[in-house]
Parts: sequence; structure tokens; C-alpha cells
Amino acid sequence: NAGVTQTPKFRILKIGQSMTLQCTQDMNHNYMYWYRQDPGMGLKLIYYSVGAGITDKGEVPNGYNVSRSTTEDFPLRLELAAPSQTSVYFCASRGSLSGNTIYFGEGSWLTVV
Amino acid sequence: AQKITQTQPGMFVQEKEAVTLDCTYDTSDPSYGLFWYKQPSSGEMIFLIYQGSYDQQNATEGRYSLNFQKARKSANLVISASQLGDSAMYFCAMTPYSGGGADGLTFGKGTHLIIQP
Repeated sequence: NAGVTQTPKFRILKIGQSMTLQCTQDMNHNYMYWYRQDPGMGLKLIYYSVGAGITDKGEVPNGYNVSRSTTEDFPLRLELAAPSQTSVYFCASRGSLSGNTIYFGEGSWLTVV
Repeated sequence: AQKITQTQPGMFVQEKEAVTLDCTYDTSDPSYGLFWYKQPSSGEMIFLIYQGSYDQQNATEGRYSLNFQKARKSANLVISASQLGDSAMYFCAMTPYSGGGADGLTFGKGTHLIIQP
């Protein structure tokens, strides 16, 4: 009963390094999302995808890139990490036929130093 | 664009009392959905309850109910008979259903609820 799986759970990056947060869902959902949550705040949408090969920017896309080569996977790429990208990152998915249920991963804690 | 406002940064409530968490929203979309999520200290996002903008009745899920007042653009969460395990951050969120319904959620800043024994 995997649902939405994110890796890694914790990561420390140095300024200027790059990394990829992995997200996989096994529910055959069309829609996938990446959010970030800064301390004491709600989640903000970074990027989303409505299906394989289709991605679009959310509210806070700067400094990130995504790809959606398969239905299952939606990796988030951080290029040239900055301290402002220190946050908790959540991946989520929703099926077009699964009603209003949005499934979240457990989150990835990223610190840029 | 959508906006969610949660005006209570923190609340202290006595165990077994009922709790109302406030949420107001702003949107120009005629069709939308409203959600409440619980985030305990462990960090995961736990779905609590959903209300569609065209639903005639207020949503209920066990001890959770959503007091939906469309004209006032409010969607308050009511927790009956609070328990110590209810201590957590609570987020109100919404999504429009125009454009195919793929839009992500817009979240409020949350309310930190602490249940006292």
C-alpha cells in the first residue's frame, strides 16, 4: 500500500549544489504536484503535471525544474541550491477519476547551508 | 487567483470541548472545492474533510464537520469532543474546478491547535 513515495526524507545541501527529489506514485494518477512548506506557513505550489509529458508552473517555480516522463514519476530538480530553498517539500497526486482525494507523500526536509 | 485566510495562528482548548477553526476564502471561480488538512508534529499531511461549492449539505466526517457558508465565503472546521491527539497544525485549502480540475491546492497559513488535559 505504497501511495506516494518521496526520497530522500532528509538532505543537507551546500550552496550551489544541485539535487533531485524523487516522487513516485503507484495509483495511476494523472495529476501530480510539488509543494514547499516554509516554517510556520502553509504549502505553496511549485510545479504540477496533468499527465506524462505535460508540466506547468505553480506559484513559486523559480529555482526548480520538473519532468514527467512516466505516469508514475515526477522528480523535482533543484539547480544551484540557495538558502532560500531550505524547506519541506511535499509531492502529491490525484486521479481524474478518484474524486477529490489528494494523496500526499511524507515530505522531504531539505536544508541548504 | 484564490486566497485562503486563517485568522487564528494558535488556539488552546480544553480536552472534550468543541473547537471551531476559522477559514475564509476568496475566488472568482464558480466551482471549487474546500479542504481541511491536519499536520501533526511528525509532518505528514492528513486529509480530514472536503466540501464542494455546489454541495447543498455541510460535510461531516466522524468528529469533523465543515460549516460552509457560501455567501460569506467561509468554511470553518468544527471538531466535536476534542482529544489530546487533535493537537496539530490545521490547514484550510481550496482548488478551483475550472480548467479541467488539475489545479493544485491553495493553502492558508494554518492554525496551531493545542488541546490541554
